Amino acid sequence: GENVEQHPSTLSVQEGDSAVIKCTYSDSASNYFPWYKQELGKRPQLIIDIRSNVGEKKDQRIAVTLNKTAKHFSLHITETQPEDSAVYFCAASGSYQLTFGKGTKLSVIP
Amino acid sequence: NAGVTQTPKFRVLKTGQSMTLLCAQDMNHEYMYWYRQDPGMGLRLIHYSVGEGTTAKGEVPDGYNVSRLKKQNFLLGLESAAPSQTSVYFCASSYSSLGDRYTFGSGTRLTVV
Repeated sequence: GENVEQHPSTLSVQEGDSAVIKCTYSDSASNYFPWYKQELGKRPQLIIDIRSNVGEKKDQRIAVTLNKTAKHFSLHITETQPEDSAVYFCAASGSYQLTFGKGTKLSVIP
Repeated sequence: NAGVTQTPKFRVLKTGQSMTLLCAQDMNHEYMYWYRQDPGMGLRLIHYSVGEGTTAKGEVPDGYNVSRLKKQNFLLGLESAAPSQTSVYFCASSYSSLGDRYTFGSGTRLTVV
């Protein structure tokens, strides 16, 4: 089955700096890659996703890049704000379901 | 339009007790999932369903059973709870076989003592 590795497990940045989280996946058949944000005590919420026919996607301060040849994808958050502090999960599609990475705890220091 | 509703939100069980977690969705989604979330382990798939009357095992199915008798409901059962099943359980549903745009429930925090 699919295996998703996510790095780093924790990340601290100063407010206004950029944050980058990286994931690799194992199944070359995967073609859908979402990112979820989970605040403490809340459910995961989809923040951005990308499909395999696209190399990059942006939504305001958030962007995701995909390299299908290398089987890795990344989340980029620019101009970080304290409200960006949360746990972020990447995921890759398999047969009928998503496989998630172990998560990155992002702390934005004011 | 409630989305995905999980009940109960919290539960404490004694070792060996049984319980059922209910997930209900009102979006007419075919695909439903049960995940467990443990610190540092991410979200791990327990069981899933690709339609009414179907179920399949995920990554960590041992100790759990599921049923999907109605399209809108997906039940997760623990027949004999163990402390290792202490976790936060999330249900999710999707309209697509790709797992597009999961809608998650609010979670059930289960403690087994």
